[in-house]
Amino acid sequence: NAGVTQTPKFRVLKTGQSMTLLCAQDMNHEYMYWYRQDPGMGLRLIHYSVGEGTTAKGEVPDGYNVSRLKKQNFLLGLESAAPSQTSVYFCASRTLMNTEAFFGQGTRLTVV
Amino acid sequence: AQTVTQSQPEMSVQEAETVTLSCTYDTSESDYYLFWYKQPPSRQMILVIRQEAYKQQNATENRFSVNFQKAAKSFSLKISDSQLGDAAMYFCASGGSNYKLTFGKGTLLTVNP
Repeated sequence: NAGVTQTPKFRVLKTGQSMTLLCAQDMNHEYMYWYRQDPGMGLRLIHYSVGEGTTAKGEVPDGYNVSRLKKQNFLLGLESAAPSQTSVYFCASRTLMNTEAFFGQGTRLTVV
Repeated sequence: AQTVTQSQPEMSVQEAETVTLSCTYDTSESDYYLFWYKQPPSRQMILVIRQEAYKQQNATENRFSVNFQKAAKSFSLKISDSQLGDAAMYFCASGGSNYKLTFGKGTLLTVNP
């Protein structure tokens, strides 16, 4: 099983450019999450989704948008990238609130 | 709102010895779950152990065990017989009925040979 797959793995953007990170899971999980990981800050929740067609804001949603048009995919968009969005981004999914979350391998994004 | 606090940014242990990583949490929910994840240099997030809050018995997975003190909202991870492969960043996390999964800032564990 592929599990949770993130695309791309690395990206360098110029300030003001836009991009979309794709997360795909093949486990039929209901819940999907986008986190960013910064040194000394742990994982902070950006947005999450509890099912197809639904999304909600996490701790640090500003500057990001998400969509969950299909159950297996959760997209994270940056409309106008800023250097403060330089980070490692993780997608995760899980089936129920008492189950473990499965993570993608992360995307290292640098905004210059 | 859920919060998770890991007060030890870094810890070190000698190979074969025991180390305990601390975690405290705060939640208004009555039904919640606690997790410890390991992140080695490969960056992959790996579940180490899980604890259901309604269970009084502490969870154990081989060399890994937790000390769950519900009243104190404490959830520490004990690693026995530490191995070089245990060196990693460890994250404590809390999840409840609001579907969110909240992480602490992590503890970087070094294992000395």
